[in-house]
Amino acid sequence: SQQGEEDPQALSIQEGENATMNCSYKTSINNLQWYRQNSGRGLVHLILIRSNEREKHSGRLRVTLDTSKKSSSLLITASRAADTASYFCATDAELGGSRLTFGEGTQLTVNP
Amino acid sequence: NAGVTQTPKFQVLKTGQSMTLQCAQDMNHEYMSWYRQDPGMGLRLIHYSVGAGITDQGEVPNGYNVSRSTTEDFPLRLLSAAPSQTSVYFCASSYHLQGEKLFFGSGTQLSVL
Repeated sequence: SQQGEEDPQALSIQEGENATMNCSYKTSINNLQWYRQNSGRGLVHLILIRSNEREKHSGRLRVTLDTSKKSSSLLITASRAADTASYFCATDAELGGSRLTFGEGTQLTVNP
Repeated sequence: NAGVTQTPKFQVLKTGQSMTLQCAQDMNHEYMSWYRQDPGMGLRLIHYSVGAGITDQGEVPNGYNVSRSTTEDFPLRLLSAAPSQTSVYFCASSYHLQGEKLFFGSGTQLSVL
């Protein structure tokens, strides 16, 4: 069963707009990670946020984590056509051993 | 560094055939893993290894075998291919067991007819 679930499944925006993707999970975690996958390629790590952190920034990316609600959000500001990709959250459960569990992903399309 | 290298990129098998998907990393990572990606199901963990000589099952291990004789290599064997194993397979590695980002290979697209 999937630990993380992304919302929405698909998102289409115009270049320059902000894109927000959400991830919910079920059990306590050590950390939560976001990955990006361009069509036909492998996943690329974007950002990791630990369970004792609430917000983290990396360039145009902003990730928040609310452990009380078991949810996280990924914000991409001033989006570009090159941001078009699938975005996945992955959780490292406290009791999950060495496993990262991935959600089903959000397909983001940024229209020029 | 080449990172994580997977071969082949594409493969077509007939039902019942066996084959090995290769994965190698040159980053001296302890942790290696295999995922399969199917539409609408995200990535599911097949097998993983925390070091040479140590392997364990993930979420969907049936029909697959792995071994880890060296730190660098982590091959995935399909014993008797079935159409349900049609998928995209990704190998991924990280330095340590937990709390580390994964480095992914570029994937193997497998079709079983």
